[in-house]
Amino acid sequence: SQELEQSPQSLIVQEGKNLTINCTSSKTLYGLYWYKQKYGEGLIFLMMLQKGGEEKSHEKITAKLDEKKQQSSLHITASQPSHAGIYLCGAAMKTSYDKVIFGPGTSLSVIP
Amino acid sequence: DTEVTQTPKHLVMGMTNKKSLKCEQHMGHRAMYWYKQKAKKPPELMFVYSYEKLSINESVPSRFSPECPNSSLLNLHLHALQPEDSALYLCASSQYRDSNTEAFFGQGTRLTVV
Repeated sequence: SQELEQSPQSLIVQEGKNLTINCTSSKTLYGLYWYKQKYGEGLIFLMMLQKGGEEKSHEKITAKLDEKKQQSSLHITASQPSHAGIYLCGAAMKTSYDKVIFGPGTSLSVIP
Repeated sequence: DTEVTQTPKHLVMGMTNKKSLKCEQHMGHRAMYWYKQKAKKPPELMFVYSYEKLSINESVPSRFSPECPNSSLLNLHLHALQPEDSALYLCASSQYRDSNTEAFFGQGTRLTVV
């Protein structure tokens, strides 16, 4: 079974709408990362969260890590076509802090 | 400069060929990584180098041979690959091996084994 799960698997939204992507772990996380990937390209770093309850924002994207450090959410406000892509959460578990594993990804399409 | 450069961008090789993938970063990062990504799947860790020494090998077949000649360069030597090895190979680097710091990824090499 996967150590990291993401929901939803895919998302289609109208431009201007808000959306949320979730990442859940069955184990306590050492660090949580959000990346964006366009098909066939490299990963673009978005944010890193380490402390329980931490929240970070960059432009119209906000990410939170819950107090127990087992779940994170990524929220996009007023989505734009440029937000389209695959969003991957990555995490290092406390048992292997130097090894980052990735969730299965959430595919986002934004319709103009 | 937060760039990780991978070459070539695309590679087609036969099963008896020997080829190498190259990765370069000039951010002074001391940890470098190779990931393999199949279509519609997340990246999977292959190797981790820390201070030019191999620290993690995720049970990768010996037909993949990593090399870190200096702190800026990471190579992946390929020999006798199988068609199922076709994938996007991603290189990444971070300041240290500890995942306390973010990892920056290259654009990847799209490998096709025929």
